[in-house]
Amino acid sequence: EVQLLQSGGGLVQPGGSLRLSCAASGFTFTSYSMAWIRQAPGKGLEWVAAVDPSGISPRFADSVRGRFTTYRDNSQNTIFLQMNSLRTEDTALYFCARDDYGSADFWGPGTLVTVSS
Amino acid sequence: DVVMTQSPLSLTVTLGQPASISCRSSQSLVFSDGINYLSWFHQRPGQSPRRLLSQVSRRDSGVPDRFSGSGSGSHFTLEISRVEADDVGIYYCMQGSHWPPWTFGQGTKVQIK
Repeated sequence: EVQLLQSGGGLVQPGGSLRLSCAASGFTFTSYSMAWIRQAPGKGLEWVAAVDPSGISPRFADSVRGRFTTYRDNSQNTIFLQMNSLRTEDTALYFCARDDYGSADFWGPGTLVTVSS
Repeated sequence: DVVMTQSPLSLTVTLGQPASISCRSSQSLVFSDGINYLSWFHQRPGQSPRRLLSQVSRRDSGVPDRFSGSGSGSHFTLEISRVEADDVGIYYCMQGSHWPPWTFGQGTKVQIK
């Protein structure tokens, strides 16, 4: 059974940093790209970033490029989203998801990030 | 970026009746391999989105055959043949043909009359 366990959310001040984690199990982790998708309170879904199986070529949405980075530890079946220079508009529920080529077939439960002074 | 536009944004349906949601893209979603990478997701309140369909019409495991998808190019449709109480929530279409980024529709809220 595919499982994605997320951690690392919380309250942070504007300009601060936070790191999210997503631990995967139940599938061959190194065969899949992984993605981060967020949902602001009461809003729709926004793709944030993705990391390929090797971790060499992460991609980012324009809204977070230069502030966020994503990487993976294939020995621990875990991906990370390092968020720096956080803004109030980054407040959202952050989901990790498995990329099955052009779509997200399994999603984590989400972790809430609140950026507020 | 490809803009995904759903309609309607809200839908109230009688139990047992059909429902249909439209999704249009600002560019054709036909990828170089001939596949439209168009997916549909259902999100219940307080839950993660669950994928229903990928590549327009391929149902995910456990998805009832009441759910079907159609379309190609830039116009797609999700149909629920007979709405059940469990179908309430928000439905999103998403394109993965022009990546990055994946882009989502605004969402369609389905309620029961």
